[in-house]
Amino acid sequence: GENVGLHLPTLSVQEGDNSIINCAYSNSASDYFIWYKQESGKGPQFIIDIRSNMDKRQGQRVTVLLNKTVKHLSLQIAATQPGDSAVYFCAETEDNYGQNFVFGPGTRLSVLP
Amino acid sequence: DAGVTQSPTHLIKTRGQQVTLRCSPKSGHDTVSWYQQALGQGPQFIFQYYEEEERQRGNFPDRFSGHQFPNYSSELNVNALWLGDSALYLCASSLETRNTEAFFGQGTRLTVV
Repeated sequence: GENVGLHLPTLSVQEGDNSIINCAYSNSASDYFIWYKQESGKGPQFIIDIRSNMDKRQGQRVTVLLNKTVKHLSLQIAATQPGDSAVYFCAETEDNYGQNFVFGPGTRLSVLP
Repeated sequence: DAGVTQSPTHLIKTRGQQVTLRCSPKSGHDTVSWYQQALGQGPQFIFQYYEEEERQRGNFPDRFSGHQFPNYSSELNVNALWLGDSALYLCASSLETRNTEAFFGQGTRLTVV
């Protein structure tokens, strides 16, 4: 399969614990953000998005927090499962119609049994 | 409902050759974007097609060109391949509306030798 993120920062968590993955962005004009999950051999998979007029959004087992003051985005995964092991990317765009996304460097999440 | 499909999945080319990669967007989507993902990094935006025209372009040389067909499918062409062009090429499709998620295909792994 595809070796995604060979030298990425790694977050290791115990199965059942909560995970928090952080992302700093640089463009203060960005107004739409997405978290993607990428498993080995696959393309990025949409997890959750948030618009700049919000500071929190919840999905199934996932929560995204946006702090525009410090240009910081985080992804919280509740009750982390082995299937959550993957590389996680935050992506930002300021172009509302073009979706020209700028991706962060990624974080590898490793779930320990 | 088929998602984004890309072909081929893997490809090996020699320096100086030309390559064409193909993408069929998710059903109902009219906008196609191409990204290059080097090993260990996040995807980088190459360009985007809408209504058969290149609408946006990232920081990639003219060796990278594309096309969108009336059925919204798209091709990415790379001429005069370099070793540094070796990467995973991802296609993403979306709707031409404000702030909507982009769905990615599984990518084409291009190796230039």
